[in-house]
Amino acid sequence: AQTVTQSQPEMSVQEAETVTLSCTYDTSESDYYLFWYKQPPSRQMILVIRQEAYKQQNATENRFSVNFQKAAKSFSLKISDSQLGDAAMYFCAYYPNRDDKIIFGKGTRLHILP
Amino acid sequence: EAGVAQSPRYKIIEKRQSVAFWCNPISGHATLYWYQQILGQGPKLLIQFQNNGVVDDSQLPKDRFSAERLKGVDSTLKIQPAKLEDSAVYLCASSLARGPLGNEQFFGPGTRLTVL
Repeated sequence: AQTVTQSQPEMSVQEAETVTLSCTYDTSESDYYLFWYKQPPSRQMILVIRQEAYKQQNATENRFSVNFQKAAKSFSLKISDSQLGDAAMYFCAYYPNRDDKIIFGKGTRLHILP
Repeated sequence: EAGVAQSPRYKIIEKRQSVAFWCNPISGHATLYWYQQILGQGPKLLIQFQNNGVVDDSQLPKDRFSAERLKGVDSTLKIQPAKLEDSAVYLCASSLARGPLGNEQFFGPGTRLTVL
């Protein structure tokens, strides 16, 4: 069965510092997508960043970047220059190309310390 | 562009009562999803519609949950009768199309259901 594991239930980082959220997944597929979603306290989930498994280059979106290690089935999110508005639950998610169903991890709650 | 709308935002009911949630997706989005998010967990897909047809309802507890999207736009999710374990946030999401590329999923604010 395909699973997504986020081993850090909570993390804290000082404002302006860098933090890395971990995610591992289990799959026998070779063609899939990985996502990081952000869910602020208002609960409206938004997509932060997306990675296609066939691309070796790590995706980046402004202060957000990923470290995608396909062989290790690891997909971590790095947030640089952390801001107070980054405080939220972050969900790692896996999307097999053939299945059309996103599988979410349990999330990591990120606190930003002023 | 208006986002995904959901109502109500909060609902408290007694067990064995019925409840219904409403979702209005982003205009033009063909695909609509209902997720259940239990406290401390990630969202779990309950049902996926493509226009007004069901694509996947394999994780929908069909003995008590039902959903419809009659005209391929708005959707309702119903629970009848509710159980304590149904307490969760119910998220609606929509996307232009199926598949991960054409389709970023846009989420609504959710309905928080408490069953007493």
